[in-house]
Amino acid sequence: NAGVTQTPKFRILKIGQSMTLQCTQDMNHNYMYWYRQDPGMGLKLIYYSVGAGITDKGEVPNGYNVSRSTTEDFPLRLELAAPSQTSVYFCASSPGLPGQPQHFGDGTRLSIL
Amino acid sequence: AQTVTQSQPEMSVQEAETVTLSCTYDTSESDYYLFWYKQPPSRQMILVIRQEAYKQQNATENRFSVNFQKAAKSFSLKISDSQLGDAAMYFCATPGSNYQLIWGAGTKLIIKP
Repeated sequence: NAGVTQTPKFRILKIGQSMTLQCTQDMNHNYMYWYRQDPGMGLKLIYYSVGAGITDKGEVPNGYNVSRSTTEDFPLRLELAAPSQTSVYFCASSPGLPGQPQHFGDGTRLSIL
Repeated sequence: AQTVTQSQPEMSVQEAETVTLSCTYDTSESDYYLFWYKQPPSRQMILVIRQEAYKQQNATENRFSVNFQKAAKSFSLKISDSQLGDAAMYFCATPGSNYQLIWGAGTKLIIKP
C-alpha cells in the first residue's frame, strides 16, 4: 500500500543550490499535484499535471519546474534555491474524476539557508 | 476567483464534547464537491469527509458530520465525542478547475483532557 511516495523527507539547501523533489504514485492516477505549505497556512498549488507529458502552472509556480514523463512520476525541480522557498512540499494524486479526493504523500520539509 | 475561508484560526474543546469548525467558500461551479482534511502533527493530509453539493443530505462519517448550507456557501464540520486523537489542523477545500483543490488557511483544534 505505497500510495504516494515522496523523497527526501527533509533537506537543507544553501542559497543558489538546486535540487529535485521526487514523487511517485502506484495508483495509476492521471492527475498529480505539487503544493507548498508555509507555516500556519493552507496549501498553495505550484504545478499540476493531468497526464504524462502534460503539465501546467498553479498559483505559485515561480522558481520551480516540473516534468511528467510517466504516469507514476512527477518530480519538482528547484533551480536556484531562495530563502522564500523554505516550506513543506506535498505531492498529491487523484484519478481526476468528480468527487474523488486527492491522496497525499508525507511531505518534504525543505529549508534554504 | 474561487476562495475558501476558515474564520477560526484555533478552537479548543473538552474531551468527549462536541465542536464545530466553520468554512465558507465561493465558487462559480454548479456541481461540485467539498472536502475536509485533517493534518495531525505527523504532517500527513488525511481525508475526513466529503460532501456532494447536489445532495441535500449532510454527509456523515462516524463521529464526523457536516452542516452544508448551499445557498449560504457554508460547509461546517462537526466533531462529536471529541477524542485526544482528533487534535490536528483541519482544512476545508473546494475544487477549482482541473480538479485542483482550493484550500482554506486551516483551523487548529486543541482537545483538552
